[in-house]
Amino acid sequence: NAGVTQTPKFRVLKTGQSMTLLCAQDMNHEYMYWYRQDPGMGLRLIHYSVGEGTTAKGEVPDGYNVSRLKKQNFLLGLESAAPSQTSVYFCASTTWRDRASNQPQHFGDGTRLSIL
Amino acid sequence: EDKVVQSPLSLVVHEGDTVTLNCSYEVTNFRSLLWYKQEKKAPTFLFMLTSSGIEKKSGRLSSILDKKELSSILNITATQTGDSAIYLCAVSTSGTYKYIFGTGTRLKVLA
Repeated sequence: NAGVTQTPKFRVLKTGQSMTLLCAQDMNHEYMYWYRQDPGMGLRLIHYSVGEGTTAKGEVPDGYNVSRLKKQNFLLGLESAAPSQTSVYFCASTTWRDRASNQPQHFGDGTRLSIL
Repeated sequence: EDKVVQSPLSLVVHEGDTVTLNCSYEVTNFRSLLWYKQEKKAPTFLFMLTSSGIEKKSGRLSSILDKKELSSILNITATQTGDSAIYLCAVSTSGTYKYIFGTGTRLKVLA
């Protein structure tokens, strides 16, 4: 059981280039999230999805786009990379079965992205 | 605006010491508080605390939720070098599907 898998694990981009980060989960989770982690800043939510075909903005969405065409995949895109987007990106997934229940998030191992 | 604050930001102790990490929150419609341990890669889940489960314990780690003080503590007794990590606190709220994270506490345990 792979859990949450992120690709690539590491990437270096030049300013202005574009790329897509892929997150795949095999737990049939409805909810998926993209975070960025910077030193001293904790995890900040970029975008999230509560189901196939739906996405919503998080705390720091500017400069990023996302898509959830399949339940198991959540893609994060950078259309025109900027040095300020240098960070470690984490994907997470979870299931909220009903209003009374709550489950922890499962995280991928992260993608370290450097933008020169 | 929902907010989660952790203290201290960093901590250095020696093996065998006991440490207490703090997490306080200001959120609308609190649902649960979660603790994660992050070593080199993905955060791994430790505990989840809710109104119906305000104390959790696993081995040398334990956590308590104080709903009056809007805070939680994570205790680690008899620390080991393997406890060195960033400890993250997150809060979820009813009506949203989001988790608000604190900045984390970086713990270093010296041999």
